[in-house]
Amino acid sequence: EPEVTQTPSHQVTQMGQEVILRCVPISNHLYFYWYRQILGQKVEFLVSFYNNEISEKSEIFDDQFSVERPDGSNFTLKIRSTKLEDSAMYFCASNTRDSYEQYFGPGTRLTVT
Amino acid sequence: QKEVEQNSGPLSVPEGAIASLNCTYSDRGSQSFFWYRQYSGKSPELIMFIYSNGDKEDGRFTAQLNKASQYVSLLIRDSQPSDSATYLCAVTGYALNFGKGTSLLVTP
Repeated sequence: EPEVTQTPSHQVTQMGQEVILRCVPISNHLYFYWYRQILGQKVEFLVSFYNNEISEKSEIFDDQFSVERPDGSNFTLKIRSTKLEDSAMYFCASNTRDSYEQYFGPGTRLTVT
Repeated sequence: QKEVEQNSGPLSVPEGAIASLNCTYSDRGSQSFFWYRQYSGKSPELIMFIYSNGDKEDGRFTAQLNKASQYVSLLIRDSQPSDSATYLCAVTGYALNFGKGTSLLVTP
């Protein structure tokens, strides 16, 4: 069964460093999303991406964040200058054009020290 | 602010019983409603979705939607210890807006 994959599973970085989180959505899906979940808190929407551009973003998704689809399979989230409060699980999700059901990847645990 | 509210629990039910999980939402424009299961340290796993008022059954799971009352629920029949997890309610017109989740504990 097709699934969303994410790399790395765990990333440790120092405050102020740039990180890139990678996702490979399900192959026939056209809508891509990033969510984050701070430990003990709810899952929060960051950004959605369709047709090579951002379609919606939340207040969390400020200028420190960017997304890109550099090739036909990868979907990336870049955080330019990480802060301690960026420590969280980051989930990628995707869905087809014909349905609203979003399928999540296993997540990347980002630890900022 | 569009809110999705869930009782945090924990909800404890004995094995074989019916677990009932509830969710209310504030945005009357919400179109689609989802239940995700999340084990500790893992990602959300989609288990049910419902778009129309009424009930939808899939195996041991039944989702119920009442748009007039802005209420969606999940029933788990014949609960098993492996059902012990946090259940997340999510609503969307587009991006998913999650509740904080209800922790379910099924005791043998």
